[in-house]
Amino acid sequence: GAVVSQHPSWVICKSGTSVKIECRSLDFQATTMFWYRQFPKQSLMLMATSNEGSKATYEQGVEKDKFLINHASLTLSTLTVTSAHPEDSSFYICSVDRRQGLTYEQYFGPGTRLTVT
Amino acid sequence: GESVGLHLPTLSVQEGDNSIINCAYSNSASDYFIWYKQESGKGPQFIIDIRSNMDKRQGQRVTVLLNKTVKHLSLQIAATQPGDSAVYFCALGQEGSQGNLIFGKGTKLSVKP
Repeated sequence: GAVVSQHPSWVICKSGTSVKIECRSLDFQATTMFWYRQFPKQSLMLMATSNEGSKATYEQGVEKDKFLINHASLTLSTLTVTSAHPEDSSFYICSVDRRQGLTYEQYFGPGTRLTVT
Repeated sequence: GESVGLHLPTLSVQEGDNSIINCAYSNSASDYFIWYKQESGKGPQFIIDIRSNMDKRQGQRVTVLLNKTVKHLSLQIAATQPGDSAVYFCALGQEGSQGNLIFGKGTKLSVKP
């Protein structure tokens, strides 16, 4: 498997402020990381694919200027929620893609609970 | 379009019984299938996967069955334990390609002692 950490595990911020969430791959170098969002009692929805050294690829409907992704190293990707609003409150989960033979397996971080007041 | 759904949103079983969680999918291009377990407030945890060239794969107390003809996937948990209580998601992907997993809606498994 792979060990993935996220920081912070939870954060409360005021509406209009920005919040940065870190995702770290602790035991291998990840050229690709993914960011998901999960609302209560719902499934995970892919927000964007983070590629080391290049721009992130965003899913349809996800605002790239609002959710800034930086993958500056092979072990760290960050997601910044800019000008957060209450509707951005969610559980944000990152994952890393690790090649195992012909298949890329995804390993998930523990998630970050964002609450915007 | 693609869709992944589950037949039962909640499942309650007695400790020691076997559990079966089902997943239906519509994308014929999917050839890699994964089951994840997610406990409350945590990220998904990989349980078991199966490629499209197989119809059954077994792990420790878990078995995944794949029926490509009817596009159906199931997860069987033997001798269910209280620690198995969680939400279970099926996810679909494509071998050789990175990421882009499509997740099902999830089934909440509750194990009664």
